[in-house]
Amino acid sequence: AQSVSQHNHHVILSEAASLELGCNYSYGGTVNLFWYVQYPGQHLQLLLKYFSGDPLVKGIKGFEAEFIKSKFSFNLRKPSVQWSDTAEYFCAVMRGGADGLTFGKGTHLIIQP
Amino acid sequence: DSGVTQTPKHLITATGQRVTLRCSPRSGDLSVYWYQQSLDQGLQFLIQYYNGEERAKGNILERFSAQQFPDLHSELNLSSLELGDSALYFCASSVSGMRTDTQYFGPGTRLTVL
Repeated sequence: AQSVSQHNHHVILSEAASLELGCNYSYGGTVNLFWYVQYPGQHLQLLLKYFSGDPLVKGIKGFEAEFIKSKFSFNLRKPSVQWSDTAEYFCAVMRGGADGLTFGKGTHLIIQP
Repeated sequence: DSGVTQTPKHLITATGQRVTLRCSPRSGDLSVYWYQQSLDQGLQFLIQYYNGEERAKGNILERFSAQQFPDLHSELNLSSLELGDSALYFCASSVSGMRTDTQYFGPGTRLTVL
């Protein structure tokens, strides 16, 4: 079965630190990849998505992600985090054909001022 | 605000009961998705509708059913409720239901089964 793995369940960083959240998926066919964020008390919001083309994708709020096909990975990065980045981050995969998103378990990110 | 609305925000009920959760998609979106978020299972896809027709099914239990009405709002019906059905239920909508679409999520309905 298709699965999505997020390596870190909890991450604590200080402001201005660099961030990298890992995401690996197990599906071998064509996939579309997404990162969603859920700020405290808010709904899930799309950070960025990858369908094809340039494997380095830029999203909102300074986030970017790199698709490495050979590693089945789609890691999220931000060079300098802010306190307001404290949130739950979800990696998700949509495989070819009609289907819903398969989500990872999420990473709870806490940024300390 | 994503433009997707869900009612009610909270629902508390007893085992064996039946409840209905409602979702209104963003204006112009034809496809609706339902997801369940629980502590042990995480976020799981339940079912997708497009313009009134069922398009895809995920891990939806037989006790659960959904429909999408002509005005495009959707309802998720949960029956014979069990303690393990306690979860956050999200609705999402997208323009065409294609895999390249962005899904916009609602605020969720928190269901507590006592």
